[in-house]
Amino acid sequence: GAGVSQSPSNKVTEKGKDVELRCDPISGHTALYWYRQRLGQGLEFLIYFQGNSAPDKSGLPSDRFSAERTGESVSTLTIQRTQQEDSAVYLCASSHNQGSETQYFGPGTRLLVL
Amino acid sequence: DQQVKQNSPSLSVQEGRISILNCDYTNSMFDYFLWYKKYPAEGPTFLISISSIKDKNEDGRFTVFLNKSAKHLSLHIVPSQPGDSAVYFCAASALWNYGGSQGNLIFGKGTKLSVKP
Repeated sequence: GAGVSQSPSNKVTEKGKDVELRCDPISGHTALYWYRQRLGQGLEFLIYFQGNSAPDKSGLPSDRFSAERTGESVSTLTIQRTQQEDSAVYLCASSHNQGSETQYFGPGTRLLVL
Repeated sequence: DQQVKQNSPSLSVQEGRISILNCDYTNSMFDYFLWYKKYPAEGPTFLISISSIKDKNEDGRFTVFLNKSAKHLSLHIVPSQPGDSAVYFCAASALWNYGGSQGNLIFGKGTKLSVKP
């Protein structure tokens, strides 16, 4: 079946602009996660959604970052007033449920803030 | 403060030999560990996992060993193949210790494996 998809695959923006990143999880997966990977670093947890429960936002680095998810489908990660340090690969993952051990990742969105 | 550490940024191995990738963690609440493989311009791909109730899990050429007392795990690949060349990430979660509510993964910085023909 189809895996996790993300769009756009690449995004170049100017400092101060807002960007919106999209994630389509695997159908039937109730848990959805956002991570980012800055150059030379490991993956950094940002936020996760589980069904209709309140999301765990504990990893969001600042209030410029927000994310939404409609039911158990698409999620969007929004970064407002982008800064150069926001440049990273933003990865989305989904799993069958929050107790499921394996998260399946999308290809990522490469964001470059000039 | 890194909770998951991969102290070797790179590793080079000859084809056919064993590759051993190491990972250390500090949080004793971690109870589930995973290895992901990542090729350039792709998302991480799940490779193998182990729960804290086991000390070894094997899947084909890949074996993960867990030493809870040392808070150390390792991934063995044998025999190594050129197609195994990728960045390998160790990840951990406190999946069961918090009743499934801490499923977000904590990743190490990765080890770049190069398998030479």
